[in-house]
Amino acid sequence: GAVVSQHPSWVICKSGTSVKIECRSLDFQATTMFWYRQFPKQSLMLMATSNEGSKATYEQGVEKDKFLINHASLTLSTLTVTSAHPEDSSFYICSALADRTYNSPLHFGNGTRLTVT
Amino acid sequence: AQSVTQPDIHITVSEGASLELRCNYSYGATPYLFWYVQSPGQGLQLLLKYFSGDTLVQGIKGFEAEFKRSQSSFNLRKPSVHWSDAAEYFCAVGDGGGATNKLIFGTGTLLAVQP
Repeated sequence: GAVVSQHPSWVICKSGTSVKIECRSLDFQATTMFWYRQFPKQSLMLMATSNEGSKATYEQGVEKDKFLINHASLTLSTLTVTSAHPEDSSFYICSALADRTYNSPLHFGNGTRLTVT
Repeated sequence: AQSVTQPDIHITVSEGASLELRCNYSYGATPYLFWYVQSPGQGLQLLLKYFSGDTLVQGIKGFEAEFKRSQSSFNLRKPSVHWSDAAEYFCAVGDGGGATNKLIFGTGTLLAVQP
């Protein structure tokens, strides 16, 4: 089946540094990728939608300059948390969509646990 | 705006017992409904989905869900729970109109299974 690889699975960084998280579709081309954020014991909140070759669409309240999303190819999207602060510590999950038909399934990565110290 | 409510934050059942996880949605049109399962520190795995047709949907791992439009519900059921079913379960509604499959998730139900 379709596999989405997310890397790294966990990362610890110091406050003020930037962290890049990669989301790759391994055996299919992802026209669209979604980035979610999950706080402990809470649900997944959609942060942004990225389409290959175009700018990401951010959800209301998500700072586009802080959470930089690049979807440069059909198999790779990256999320960069810039100037990370402890409040950015969270679990980030990406999902990928192979095509835009209404019943096309979403494939989720295993998530990245970010801890900012 | 569409929303999903999972009234039960935490449920504990005995192994072998039946299970029902509740999900209510708010959506103007015909909803696209999903159930996902998440093991600790992992991504999400799709259990089943409803787009149209038969309102009783069969999924993986012995799960099923029934779409009830009159009750705006999409409850997940399993007749006999196994210890490996302990995980967090998320109900989600998708905006299929734009064919982008943006999902709105419920807050999740954490399932614990007693031996």
